[in-house]
Amino acid sequence: AQSVTQPDIHITVSEGASLELRCNYSYGATPYLFWYVQSPGQGLQLLLKYFSGDTLVQGIKGFEAEFKRSQSSFNLRKPSVHWSDAAEYFCAVGVTGTASKLTFGTGTRLQVTL
Amino acid sequence: DGGITQSPKYLFRKEGQNVTLSCEQNLNHDAMYWYRQDPGQGLRLIYYSQIVNDFQKGDIAEGYSVSREKKESFPLTVTSAQKNPTAFYLCASSITPPGIFQETQYFGPGTRLLVL
Repeated sequence: AQSVTQPDIHITVSEGASLELRCNYSYGATPYLFWYVQSPGQGLQLLLKYFSGDTLVQGIKGFEAEFKRSQSSFNLRKPSVHWSDAAEYFCAVGVTGTASKLTFGTGTRLQVTL
Repeated sequence: DGGITQSPKYLFRKEGQNVTLSCEQNLNHDAMYWYRQDPGQGLRLIYYSQIVNDFQKGDIAEGYSVSREKKESFPLTVTSAQKNPTAFYLCASSITPPGIFQETQYFGPGTRLLVL
C-alpha cells in the first residue's frame, strides 16, 4: 500500500525567506501527487498536483513542487514567504486503477514570523 | 458559484445519539468522499461513493454510515457505535469515478463534531 511521510511537523520561517516543505512517498509505480493547504478550521485547498510530464509543477500562490522519482520525493517550495502563508500543508498520493483513494501525510504546520 | 457545502459547522453529540453531517455539491461531480481529521494524524478516509446508489468503505468505516441517493448529496451518519467521534470531518468530491487516472479531489469547509 502507498504511504506518505512529511518529516517536519512544524516549521518556522521569517517573512520573505524561502521555504521548502518535504514530502516522501512510497509506491511501486508512478504516483499522482498533490499538495493541499489548510487554514485553521477550514477545508483543504489544492495548491498543485503532479500527474505526469514536466517534473517541476507550478501552483497557486507562488508555490511550486518538484517530483524526483529517484528520491521518492515531491517537495513544496516558495522563494519568498508571506505572512498569509501560515497554515498547515498536506502532501497526498493517489494511485491509478483503483478506487479513488488519496493517502495523506500527517501535515506540516508553517509559522511565519514578521 | 460552484462548490461543496457542509453543515452544520459545529455539531454536538450526546452519549448514545446518532448524528448526521450534511455534504452537498453543485459541481456535477460523480465521486464523493468523507474524511476524518484528528490532530497529528492527517486525513483518514471513512467512506466514498463513485456513483449514485453505491458506496464503499474506506479505512475507518466502523461506527459510520452513509447514503448516496442523489448525485449532489452524500450525508454521513455518526452512530452511537463510534466511541470516539470528536474530530473534524471533511467532505470532498471529484469529477469522475476513478479509472485510468486519478482525479483531483476538492474539499468542503468541514464540520467539527464534539461530544457532550
